Amino acid sequence: EVQLVESGGGLVQPGGSLRLSCAASGFTFRTYAINWVRQAPGKGLEWVSIISDSGSITYYADSVKGRFTVSRDNSKNTLYLQMNSLRAEDTAVYYCAKKGGEYSSSSRWFDPWGQGTLVTVSS
Amino acid sequence: EIVMTQSPATLSVSPGERATLSCRASQSVSSNLAWYQQKPGQAPRLLIYGASTRATGIPARFSGSGSGTEFTLTISSLQSEDFAVYFCQQYNNWPPYTFGQGTKLEIK
Repeated sequence: EVQLVESGGGLVQPGGSLRLSCAASGFTFRTYAINWVRQAPGKGLEWVSIISDSGSITYYADSVKGRFTVSRDNSKNTLYLQMNSLRAEDTAVYYCAKKGGEYSSSSRWFDPWGQGTLVTVSS
Repeated sequence: EIVMTQSPATLSVSPGERATLSCRASQSVSSNLAWYQQKPGQAPRLLIYGASTRATGIPARFSGSGSGTEFTLTISSLQSEDFAVYFCQQYNNWPPYTFGQGTKLEIK
């Protein structure tokens, strides 16, 4: 069974940092790009970042560019999101979500998603 | 950035009836559109990709149609477990990937 499990969320003060992890199992992790998507309480879905299968290519939403860094360790089947200079508007459940197809496939839908981890930025 | 607009925001339908949800893109996304279902406290689940292909394990009562800028998700005979929030997402022009704001399907 393909599974993604996020961890690392919690309460952090404005300006602080947090690192999220996403542990993958049930598929060949090193052949799939992975996304981070967030959802503020009671709101819709916002794509945050994507990292390529090798980790050499990354993209970010404008709202987090320069503050968040995505990385991966293919030897550990784990994805990371380093979040710095956190703001109240970063408060959300953060999901990791696997790209639908391997490598450079055009199958760019998100499937499956992890259960999410809640990040709360507040003083 | 492509803006995705879903309508209506809330749809009230009785069990057993048909539900039709709409999604519009601000510019053509070809058939590169997905639909997701999200229940309270759960992660989104992929229902449809390529505008009309059901994901693995998705019942046949779910169908998607459209291309270009206009898309529809139809649930032919609503079951109790179908009442949830539905999101559309384009993956044609990225980054960024963009989602609609969601349609809440509630019991009438």
